[in-house]
Amino acid sequence: GAVVSQHPSWVICKSGTSVKIECRSLDFQATTMFWYRQFPKQSLMLMATSNEGSKATYEQGVEKDKFLINHASLTLSTLTVTSAHPEDSSFYICSASGGTSNQPQHFGDGTRLSIL
Amino acid sequence: AQSVTQPDIHITVSEGASLELRCNYSYGATPYLFWYVQSPGQGLQLLLKYFSGDTLVQGIKGFEAEFKRSQSSFNLRKPSVHWSDAAEYFCAVGKGGATNKLIFGTGTLLAVQP
Repeated sequence: GAVVSQHPSWVICKSGTSVKIECRSLDFQATTMFWYRQFPKQSLMLMATSNEGSKATYEQGVEKDKFLINHASLTLSTLTVTSAHPEDSSFYICSASGGTSNQPQHFGDGTRLSIL
Repeated sequence: AQSVTQPDIHITVSEGASLELRCNYSYGATPYLFWYVQSPGQGLQLLLKYFSGDTLVQGIKGFEAEFKRSQSSFNLRKPSVHWSDAAEYFCAVGKGGATNKLIFGTGTLLAVQP
């Protein structure tokens, strides 16, 4: 149980385009979803926390206009990297958690984003 | 401030040998502690978690971890390592609850020698 699907797994696009990444909880309702960014050989850095039906809470230093997060349903959250540039290239990972306490975060398999 | 330290960046063990990965945390209250494993190019898989109760917790794949409040540690152990255990391991601390964020350590990369 507790499967989180992330799509696409890998995307390459030109500089200036926008890229949307989907994160779905397949077998549970995720009231909270988290978006992380991971640079090579580094740990995960939390970008934002989103609750279903509410605006996302961004971590300090993360541009909310650059990284648009939508969490419109209990099973889907999306991250859109707007006007992507090469410095946005990274590994993006989402996680989802159920609505009760003591629920761990369950992670997707990540999206490798490469901006040319 | 909350923080997690994994002192060992890279560890190499022989297949069949025992393993201990260190994790120390700094937290002002009773922490919720987690160990995750990440294979190359993939997301994180939860190995085990500690919320309360028995300080020795059992996880998947034969892993266990012991919470030691006096040492602010939550070390991960496995009695006999398999080649498939080669991966990156992350310790994390949180306040608990579905909406509370996790603070991750920098990770320990485990290599397994035949």
